[in-house]
Parts: sequence; structure tokens; C-alpha cells
Amino acid sequence: QTVVTQEPSLTVSPGGTVTLTCASSTGAVTSGYYPNWFQQKPGQAPRALIYSTTYKHSWTPARFSGSLLGGKAALTLSGVQPEDEAEYYCLLYYGGAQGVFGGGTKLTVL
Amino acid sequence: QLQLQESGPGLVKPSETLSLTCTVSGGSISNSGYYWGWIRQPPGKGLEWIATMSNSGSTYYNPSLKSRVIISLDTSKNQFSLELSSVTAADTAVYYCARHFSSTRSLDFWGQGTLVTVSS
Repeated sequence: QTVVTQEPSLTVSPGGTVTLTCASSTGAVTSGYYPNWFQQKPGQAPRALIYSTTYKHSWTPARFSGSLLGGKAALTLSGVQPEDEAEYYCLLYYGGAQGVFGGGTKLTVL
Repeated sequence: QLQLQESGPGLVKPSETLSLTCTVSGGSISNSGYYWGWIRQPPGKGLEWIATMSNSGSTYYNPSLKSRVIISLDTSKNQFSLELSSVTAADTAVYYCARHFSSTRSLDFWGQGTLVTVSS
């Protein structure tokens, strides 16, 4: 069974930069896995941030960016704001349109 | 603006079938190039992909749930549905419907989610 792994938790200071990563148990993550990133705040549905590794939705703040880093998908937040405190999930696609979510990263802004 | 809204019973008994419907407004599920799917989140836990289907009939299932899941589209009502059979307490979760674009795999629009509790 395919497992997608994220850091369980990260802490960042306001105004700082943080990178979240997303690894696949099948090996290196490539653009062919079409990495997506989502932000979820308590009591809310997830909100899409990034798709196809690097592409932003029209509503995605400019401080969020996606990339591939060392065989993993990565989400970088630059100039972190207090409102960025949330759970972040990555999604990878395997064999067509079959998706697998990562376990999520709880980002604390402190 | 596309909107998705889940509906269905909030309480299901163990061993019965969970049935949910997602009503889509602001766009047609008949449009080519999109998949329509279901995702769930047990209380306090992470997201789990359930299944997705295109209007051409292509379907993808989470292997761990495949034997219990049926997903279907009703283009006349602009709705799609989920059936999960033989439910147990482990199926208690918030269930979300969502859309993703085929060529970019962009999972962009989500419903607000509906909590389904499995209990006698």
C-alpha cells in the first residue's frame, strides 16, 4: 500500500520562511505525480493552494510556492503570516486519477 | 463560481450502507475533462481519498475501500453519489465531495463536508 509522508509538525516565526515536504513510499516524487497542496483550518473544508507541483490557484497568496526538492514535493511559505497557522496536506496521484493524501503537517506560527 | 453541496443521513447503523449525494451548481458535471470524487476525514485525523469518476465512466478507487464503494454520476440532476456498504464505526468521518481537472489533476473545488456517524 502506497504511503505519502509529511512532517507531523513544524513551527515558524511570523515573517519567516518554512518548507513542508511530501515523500512517496514508491520512490522519488516527480511532476508525474501532479502534487497538490491544501490548507485546512479547524472546522473548515480544505482549501486548494497548489496543483501540478508549482501552479497556484487564482486565490492562492503569492507567499505560497510549490516545487520539487530532493526527491520530494515541497511547499514553501515565505513571509509567514499568523493566519497561515493551519494543517497542510499534500496529495499525490498514482496510475491515472488515483489520489493518496499525506498525513498532514501541523504548522504553528509562533 | 462552482459550488458543491453534500447531503445524506448523518447517522447510519453498523453493517448498513452509507449513501451520500453531492449537488453541483455553477457548472455541469457533463463537461468533459473533469473527475468528480469523494474524500473523507475521520474526527481528528487526516484526509483519505475514497473514489473518483469521470463522466466518460473512468473510475478510480482507494484499494482499501474498493470492495465496499460504488460511485455514480446523474447528469440529469447534476449530481453524483457515493455508496459505502457494510459500514463500521471506523467509517465515521466528515465526507467531502470535490472536483478535479483531468489534465492537471488540479483538485480545486470542495464541498463544505458532511459528518456521518456510524452507531447503533
